[in-house]
Amino acid sequence: SQQGEEDPQALSIQEGENATMNCSYKTSINNLQWYRQNSGRGLVHLILIRSNEREKHSGRLRVTLDTSKKSSSLLITASRAADTASYFCATGSGGSNYKLTFGKGTLLTVNP
Amino acid sequence: GAVVSQHPSRVICKSGTSVKIECRSLDFQATTMFWYRQFPKKSLMLMATSNEGSKATYEQGVEKDKFLINHASLTLSTLTVTSAHPEDSSFYICSANRDSRTDTQYFGPGTRLTVL
Repeated sequence: SQQGEEDPQALSIQEGENATMNCSYKTSINNLQWYRQNSGRGLVHLILIRSNEREKHSGRLRVTLDTSKKSSSLLITASRAADTASYFCATGSGGSNYKLTFGKGTLLTVNP
Repeated sequence: GAVVSQHPSRVICKSGTSVKIECRSLDFQATTMFWYRQFPKKSLMLMATSNEGSKATYEQGVEKDKFLINHASLTLSTLTVTSAHPEDSSFYICSANRDSRTDTQYFGPGTRLTVL
């Protein structure tokens, strides 16, 4: 299977609820990043967590990283309809020219 | 944040023609840019790494003669899809590293290519 696999593949929740998406990877990493993509658009960088970090917050986003389990989670609290999008994790490894390997993504739908 | 643009945003062409897609970093210099391809409802697949002033590095399975990459300046990389065929229809996205000290890549808005 691919590096950086998210689950679930699709998630549908009501506005105000929390959304949790998970990502697993296979090889050692320098960092793990989460991106958001609205349909037919480019990617927006949400948050980066380095391999020596365990948790990071940014606004309503909370990311955790467990390198022993090679997994990460993205939590969006108090979701809004505008959060509807696909969310991808991407792992970075290697030298200064970081190549990202993307997971398959989770399609999040927040119903108003 | 840093801004990366792509042009055109959409292109429709006939089979057998070549199409050039531009990727520009508008407010920073990028020594390295990346080209990705994305099929509908699928993830991004890295095609190649574009290095300013040198040849691009292609991922396994990507034909370098089919997808020509030129990174002639620190703010511009181009991807040319040569002799395009319907199977080349896809969403092409570029990204750029602002500098080697930061890990964040900034993505362009993408180019939707449709080959008839």
